[in-house]
Amino acid sequence: KNEVEQSPQNLTAQEGEFITINCSYSVGISALHWLQQHPGGGIVSLFMLSSGKKKHGRLIATINIQEKHSSLHITASHPRDSAVYICAVRRLGNQFYFGTGTSLTVIP
Amino acid sequence: KAGVTQTPRYLIKTRGQQVTLSCSPISGHRSVSWYQQTPGQGLQFLFEYFSETQRNKGNFPGRFSGRQFSNSRSEMNVSTLELGDSALYLCASSGTGDGANVLTFGAGSRLTVL
Repeated sequence: KNEVEQSPQNLTAQEGEFITINCSYSVGISALHWLQQHPGGGIVSLFMLSSGKKKHGRLIATINIQEKHSSLHITASHPRDSAVYICAVRRLGNQFYFGTGTSLTVIP
Repeated sequence: KAGVTQTPRYLIKTRGQQVTLSCSPISGHRSVSWYQQTPGQGLQFLFEYFSETQRNKGNFPGRFSGRQFSNSRSEMNVSTLELGDSALYLCASSGTGDGANVLTFGAGSRLTVL
């Protein structure tokens, strides 16, 4: 069983739609990261969460520590949001574990 | 300021050889972590260094090793290469205080083992 489970694996949306990507984890964590990876490999860290909610532009990330669950929301999606979104948790012992990623395609 | 720099960007090796990859962190960052990304296994944590000491290690065989220098630059080495070591190797650096958990990734080194 993976320590980090993401859903959905693949997601296609029309431009302007509201998008939610979910992440569940099974271990105690000190922090959860949402990462974005565009074709070609470069990874950008979008958020680092240890509690509550963070917002940056059209992106919102929430975490519920008790339920071991986090969501990444994209409001008013745009084709440039097309990428793979990866949930990563930093375990209390400091190791990182990664979800398998959600491949998002936003159609104009 | 300059980002995280990884060299080389691409390399091809044959089975049994060894390879050394380099990572220069953002100036002032003392923590460097390494990751392997493959289509089959996704992203996996290799190890993390802070102030020249290995702080954490993932579940990889002893063929994978690393070190960090006094200027925070880090290298990772893979000995006796196997076909399955073909992957994108990424490093990330992070700072201290409020920036301690914020990762900045390099562009990666793509290794092909023939």
